[in-house]
Amino acid sequence: EAQVTQNPRYLITVTGKKLTVTCSQNMNHEYMSWYRQDPGLGLRQIYYSMNVEVTDKGDVPEGYKVSRKEKRNFPLILESPSPNQTSLYFCASSLSRRMFYEQYFGPGTRLTVT
Amino acid sequence: AQTVTQSQPEMSVQEAETVTLSCTYDTSESDYYLFWYKQPPSRQMILVIRQEAYKQQNATENRFSVNFQKAAKSFSLKISDSQLGDAAMYFCASRDDYKLSFGAGTTVTVRA
Repeated sequence: EAQVTQNPRYLITVTGKKLTVTCSQNMNHEYMSWYRQDPGLGLRQIYYSMNVEVTDKGDVPEGYKVSRKEKRNFPLILESPSPNQTSLYFCASSLSRRMFYEQYFGPGTRLTVT
Repeated sequence: AQTVTQSQPEMSVQEAETVTLSCTYDTSESDYYLFWYKQPPSRQMILVIRQEAYKQQNATENRFSVNFQKAAKSFSLKISDSQLGDAAMYFCASRDDYKLSFGAGTTVTVRA
């Protein structure tokens, strides 16, 4: 089954404790992206990757890191999480960066930083 | 840069009736795509309908249709014959080559 998976689905952590949210897709997609969803703000892009070893900042990259060492994986790293990073996070992928390709979303990761 | 505005935080509709969700966008690109996504309580993002900016004909998917007014930069979603399963948050989105920009969302409640 074609899908985007994220782990963990739920995470409660404390300020400053490094964490990684994994994202994997099995569709051989070139383009992958991370979003955060906050009430009243919709989804905002954090980082995106157009292919292996090619990443760039989205609208809200501060406090986050990403890497794309393999085509299928695009982990999101929070080196020192803070309470303002409490949010719902989505990973998405599409065949190409070209706009007409649909983005497929993962199931979301609910992160709480205390 | 793109901005997407949804001015209706909440909408309520009677089952079997029609509801229209508003969306305006602002982009400097000449070529772009517009989308409506549905997010039910499961939080999964589900593509409802898409519209290519270069096409004048409005997209339709079963009970969902759009009214695309390119000059006005307006992209509204009409849900006809509303069903209980349509209750969800709906996001309007605009995509250029690199990113997908979302509006703040509209929560749709369906009354039985």
